[in-house]
Amino acid sequence: GQNIDQPTEMTATEGAIVQINCTYQTSGFNGLFWYQQHAGEAPTFLSYNVLDGLEEKGRFSSFLSRSKGYSYLLLKELQMKDSASYLCAVRDGNNFNKFYFGSGTKLNVKP
Amino acid sequence: DAGVIQSPRHEVTEMGQEVTLRCKPISGHNSLFWYRQTMMRGLELLIYFNNNVPIDDSGMPEDRFSAKMPNASFSTLKIQPSEPRDSAVYFCASSLWGASNQPQHFGDGTRLSIL
Repeated sequence: GQNIDQPTEMTATEGAIVQINCTYQTSGFNGLFWYQQHAGEAPTFLSYNVLDGLEEKGRFSSFLSRSKGYSYLLLKELQMKDSASYLCAVRDGNNFNKFYFGSGTKLNVKP
Repeated sequence: DAGVIQSPRHEVTEMGQEVTLRCKPISGHNSLFWYRQTMMRGLELLIYFNNNVPIDDSGMPEDRFSAKMPNASFSTLKIQPSEPRDSAVYFCASSLWGASNQPQHFGDGTRLSIL
């Protein structure tokens, strides 16, 4: 079976740095995606990792270790608008079209 | 560019009624996905299409659910008859099949309430 684990909820302060972890156990692997979802809205794509290492995109970075089945999303200089749920999704190794989503981590940013 | 367009945005109906959700994917995308999201179960894949052909419907919960994609720019998800436990947000997403780094692009969803 497929298993994607993320913390349910996190709280951080405006201006700080926060790391959201994701661990996965899947039958195959062909990339890991992070999505942001504001309450009542659609998930929007943030980042993609397929090789080990860090991908940086402005205030957001994402890291992958395939051997450990582990990824994290790093958010720097937190802003109030970063309050949202963050979803980790793994693409199936045998089927490009199948994504397995974690339950999401709700991030609360306090002033 | 227009994103994935879903309609209606909200639907409230009584148990037993037929519900039809609609989706227009991003032009040029050849894969289309229907997801359901609830607090309890998160985001679940119901069915997906490649080039208008249903490929995997193993996530469709019951025979009450059906989906069609008559052409590259339109898909429907139908529930008949509807039940209160079908209440959820239903998302449609599209992507470019075969491109490994291409994410799925989601529509704004249909918030469905069955009374």
